[in-house]
Amino acid sequence: EAGVAQSPRYKIIEKRQSVAFWCNPISGHATLYWYQQILGQGPKLLIQFQNNGVVDDSQLPKDRFSAERLKGVDSTLKIQPAKLEDSAVYLCASPWGSSGANVLTFGAGSRLTVL
Amino acid sequence: QKEVEQNSGPLSVPEGAIASLNCTYSDRGSQSFFWYRQYSGKSPELIMFIYSNGDKEDGRFTAQLNKASQYVSLLIRDSQPSDSATYLCAVILSGGSYIPTFGRGTSLIVHP
Repeated sequence: EAGVAQSPRYKIIEKRQSVAFWCNPISGHATLYWYQQILGQGPKLLIQFQNNGVVDDSQLPKDRFSAERLKGVDSTLKIQPAKLEDSAVYLCASPWGSSGANVLTFGAGSRLTVL
Repeated sequence: QKEVEQNSGPLSVPEGAIASLNCTYSDRGSQSFFWYRQYSGKSPELIMFIYSNGDKEDGRFTAQLNKASQYVSLLIRDSQPSDSATYLCAVILSGGSYIPTFGRGTSLIVHP
Protein backbone atom coordinates (compact mmCIF):
# COMPACT_ATOMS: atom_id res chain seq x y z
CA GLU A 1 0.00 0.00 0.00
CA ALA A 2 1.31 3.41 -0.92
CA GLY A 3 -0.21 5.30 2.03
CA VAL A 4 -1.78 8.74 1.86
CA ALA A 5 0.10 11.47 0.04
CA GLN A 6 -0.46 15.13 0.85
CA SER A 7 0.99 18.38 -0.39
CA PRO A 8 2.20 20.91 0.37
CA ARG A 9 3.60 20.03 3.78
CA TYR A 10 3.79 23.64 4.87
CA LYS A 11 2.13 26.82 3.72
CA ILE A 12 2.28 30.36 5.08
CA ILE A 13 -0.17 32.93 3.76
CA GLU A 14 -1.66 36.21 4.82
CA LYS A 15 -5.27 36.53 5.86
CA ARG A 16 -7.73 36.92 3.03
CA GLN A 17 -5.44 35.00 0.66
CA SER A 18 -6.38 31.61 -0.74
CA VAL A 19 -4.73 28.22 -0.41
CA ALA A 20 -5.29 24.72 -1.73
CA PHE A 21 -4.25 21.35 -0.35
CA TRP A 22 -4.03 18.12 -2.26
CA CYS A 23 -4.47 14.51 -1.14
CA ASN A 24 -4.07 11.16 -2.84
CA PRO A 25 -5.30 8.27 -0.64
CA ILE A 26 -4.45 4.58 -0.60
CA SER A 27 -5.28 3.17 -3.99
CA GLY A 28 -8.69 1.59 -4.25
CA HIS A 29 -10.22 3.13 -1.14
CA ALA A 30 -13.54 4.77 -1.90
CA THR A 31 -13.67 6.72 1.35
CA LEU A 32 -11.60 9.83 2.00
CA TYR A 33 -11.72 12.22 4.94
CA TRP A 34 -10.36 15.72 5.51
CA TYR A 35 -9.77 16.64 9.15
CA GLN A 36 -8.65 19.96 10.65
CA GLN A 37 -6.39 19.80 13.69
CA ILE A 38 -5.80 23.04 15.55
CA LEU A 39 -2.83 23.08 17.92
CA GLY A 40 -3.73 21.42 21.21
CA GLN A 41 -6.95 19.90 19.91
CA GLY A 42 -7.99 16.62 18.36
CA PRO A 43 -8.72 16.24 14.66
CA LYS A 44 -12.11 17.63 13.64
CA LEU A 45 -13.86 16.25 10.58
CA LEU A 46 -14.39 18.72 7.76
CA ILE A 47 -15.70 16.48 5.00
CA GLN A 48 -16.11 12.82 4.05
CA PHE A 49 -16.15 11.59 0.47
CA GLN A 50 -17.36 8.23 -0.78
CA ASN A 51 -15.96 7.88 -4.28
CA ASN A 52 -16.54 11.36 -5.72
CA GLY A 53 -19.69 12.08 -3.70
CA VAL A 54 -19.92 13.99 -0.42
CA VAL A 55 -21.22 11.95 2.52
CA ASP A 56 -20.87 14.50 5.30
CA ASP A 57 -19.80 18.14 5.10
CA SER A 58 -21.84 19.41 8.03
CA GLN A 59 -18.78 20.89 9.77
CA LEU A 60 -17.21 22.44 6.68
CA PRO A 61 -17.36 26.28 6.79
CA LYS A 62 -18.85 26.51 3.33
CA ASP A 63 -18.54 30.28 3.10
CA ARG A 64 -14.77 29.88 2.77
CA PHE A 65 -13.92 26.19 2.46
CA SER A 66 -14.57 23.97 -0.53
CA ALA A 67 -13.49 20.47 -1.42
CA GLU A 68 -13.77 18.20 -4.39
CA ARG A 69 -12.77 14.70 -5.34
CA LEU A 70 -12.64 14.33 -9.07
CA LYS A 71 -12.97 10.81 -10.46
CA GLY A 72 -13.09 9.37 -6.94
CA VAL A 73 -9.31 9.37 -6.53
CA ASP A 74 -7.38 12.41 -5.34
CA SER A 75 -8.98 15.36 -3.58
CA THR A 76 -8.40 19.08 -3.16
CA LEU A 77 -9.37 21.22 -0.17
CA LYS A 78 -9.46 24.96 -0.76
CA ILE A 79 -9.75 27.90 1.63
CA GLN A 80 -10.71 31.30 0.24
CA PRO A 81 -10.39 33.77 1.88
CA ALA A 82 -8.32 32.48 4.78
CA LYS A 83 -8.77 33.74 8.33
CA LEU A 84 -6.32 33.70 11.22
CA GLU A 85 -8.32 30.93 12.91
CA ASP A 86 -7.74 28.65 9.92
CA SER A 87 -4.16 28.14 11.09
CA ALA A 88 -4.04 24.38 11.63
CA VAL A 89 -2.83 21.10 10.22
CA TYR A 90 -5.09 19.69 7.53
CA LEU A 91 -5.06 15.93 7.61
CA CYS A 92 -6.28 13.65 4.86
CA ALA A 93 -7.19 10.11 5.85
CA SER A 94 -8.41 6.91 4.31
CA PRO A 95 -9.63 3.65 5.86
CA TRP A 96 -6.97 1.01 6.22
CA GLY A 97 -7.23 -2.68 5.45
CA SER A 98 -10.34 -4.81 5.21
CA SER A 99 -11.15 -5.31 8.88
CA GLY A 100 -14.27 -3.21 8.64
CA ALA A 101 -13.14 -1.35 11.72
CA ASN A 102 -12.78 1.98 9.91
CA VAL A 103 -9.23 2.33 11.11
CA LEU A 104 -7.77 5.44 9.53
CA THR A 105 -4.43 5.93 7.87
CA PHE A 106 -3.44 9.58 7.85
CA GLY A 107 -1.25 11.48 5.47
CA ALA A 108 1.64 13.55 6.81
CA GLY A 109 -0.63 16.61 6.90
CA SER A 110 -0.44 20.12 5.50
CA ARG A 111 0.44 22.75 8.09
CA LEU A 112 -1.14 26.11 7.37
CA THR A 113 -0.09 29.33 9.05
CA VAL A 114 -2.25 32.39 8.39
CA LEU A 115 -0.60 35.71 9.29
CA GLN B 1 -21.20 18.01 26.79
CA LYS B 2 -18.57 17.09 24.23
CA GLU B 3 -19.01 13.80 22.44
CA VAL B 4 -15.56 12.43 23.30
CA GLU B 5 -13.72 13.78 26.33
CA GLN B 6 -10.15 13.36 27.45
CA ASN B 7 -8.06 15.10 30.06
CA SER B 8 -5.48 17.13 28.16
CA GLY B 9 -2.78 16.41 30.74
CA PRO B 10 0.12 16.32 30.71
CA LEU B 11 0.30 12.98 32.45
CA SER B 12 3.82 12.45 33.73
CA VAL B 13 5.03 8.98 34.71
CA PRO B 14 8.48 7.55 35.44
CA GLU B 15 10.09 5.09 33.08
CA GLY B 16 8.92 1.55 33.76
CA ALA B 17 5.63 2.60 35.34
CA ILE B 18 2.10 1.95 34.09
CA ALA B 19 0.49 4.89 32.31
CA SER B 20 -3.30 5.01 32.42
CA LEU B 21 -5.16 7.16 29.89
CA ASN B 22 -8.90 7.64 30.04
CA CYS B 23 -11.64 8.66 27.64
CA THR B 24 -15.38 9.11 28.13
CA TYR B 25 -18.04 9.40 25.46
CA SER B 26 -21.57 10.71 25.49
CA ASP B 27 -23.28 8.50 22.89
CA ARG B 28 -24.46 5.30 24.56
CA GLY B 29 -24.97 3.69 21.15
CA SER B 30 -21.30 3.99 20.14
CA GLN B 31 -19.85 0.73 18.89
CA SER B 32 -16.19 1.14 17.94
CA PHE B 33 -13.37 2.69 19.92
CA PHE B 34 -9.84 3.54 18.88
CA TRP B 35 -6.61 4.74 20.42
CA TYR B 36 -4.18 6.69 18.25
CA ARG B 37 -0.74 7.96 19.16
CA GLN B 38 0.51 11.26 17.81
CA TYR B 39 4.10 12.36 18.17
CA SER B 40 4.78 16.08 18.05
CA GLY B 41 4.69 17.31 14.47
CA LYS B 42 3.51 13.95 13.15
CA SER B 43 0.19 12.43 12.12
CA PRO B 44 -1.89 10.15 14.32
CA GLU B 45 -1.17 6.44 14.03
CA LEU B 46 -3.35 3.62 15.31
CA ILE B 47 -2.36 1.76 18.46
CA MET B 48 -5.41 -0.45 18.78
CA PHE B 49 -9.17 -0.66 18.52
CA ILE B 50 -11.77 -2.37 20.66
CA TYR B 51 -15.41 -3.29 20.14
CA SER B 52 -16.43 -5.44 23.09
CA ASN B 53 -16.61 -4.83 26.80
CA GLY B 54 -13.55 -5.96 28.66
CA ASP B 55 -9.84 -5.89 27.94
CA LYS B 56 -7.85 -6.23 24.75
CA GLU B 57 -4.11 -6.63 24.98
CA ASP B 58 -1.42 -6.00 22.39
CA GLY B 59 2.12 -6.14 23.69
CA ARG B 60 2.59 -3.46 26.34
CA PHE B 61 -0.77 -1.89 25.53
CA THR B 62 -4.16 -2.84 26.96
CA ALA B 63 -7.42 -1.20 25.96
CA GLN B 64 -10.31 -1.46 28.39
CA LEU B 65 -13.92 -0.79 27.44
CA ASN B 66 -16.87 -0.34 29.75
CA LYS B 67 -19.98 0.51 27.73
CA ALA B 68 -22.26 0.74 30.76
CA SER B 69 -20.10 3.50 32.20
CA GLN B 70 -19.25 4.90 28.76
CA TYR B 71 -15.52 4.97 29.12
CA VAL B 72 -12.55 3.47 27.38
CA SER B 73 -9.04 3.46 28.74
CA LEU B 74 -5.54 2.66 27.54
CA LEU B 75 -2.91 1.18 29.81
CA ILE B 76 0.73 1.28 28.83
CA ARG B 77 2.89 -1.09 30.85
CA ASP B 78 6.62 -0.61 31.32
CA SER B 79 6.39 2.93 29.94
CA GLN B 80 9.37 4.10 27.93
CA PRO B 81 10.53 7.64 27.07
CA SER B 82 9.66 6.79 23.46
CA ASP B 83 6.01 6.49 24.54
CA SER B 84 5.97 10.24 25.20
CA ALA B 85 3.32 11.54 22.82
CA THR B 86 -0.30 12.66 22.66
CA TYR B 87 -2.83 9.85 22.82
CA LEU B 88 -6.07 10.42 20.95
CA CYS B 89 -9.26 8.55 21.71
CA ALA B 90 -11.65 8.15 18.77
CA VAL B 91 -15.20 6.83 18.79
CA ILE B 92 -17.59 5.88 16.04
CA LEU B 93 -20.86 7.33 17.25
CA SER B 94 -24.24 5.81 16.51
CA GLY B 95 -26.17 7.18 13.54
CA GLY B 96 -24.70 5.20 10.72
CA SER B 97 -22.03 7.57 9.41
CA TYR B 98 -19.10 5.46 10.66
CA ILE B 99 -17.01 8.61 10.98
CA PRO B 100 -14.46 8.54 13.81
CA THR B 101 -14.91 11.43 16.26
CA PHE B 102 -11.76 12.35 18.16
CA GLY B 103 -11.15 13.65 21.64
CA ARG B 104 -8.64 16.42 22.23
CA GLY B 105 -5.95 13.98 23.29
CA THR B 106 -3.91 13.44 26.44
CA SER B 107 -0.26 14.38 26.49
CA LEU B 108 1.92 11.69 28.09
CA ILE B 109 5.44 12.38 29.32
CA VAL B 110 7.59 9.44 30.38
CA HIS B 111 10.66 10.66 32.22
CA PRO B 112 13.82 8.59 32.72
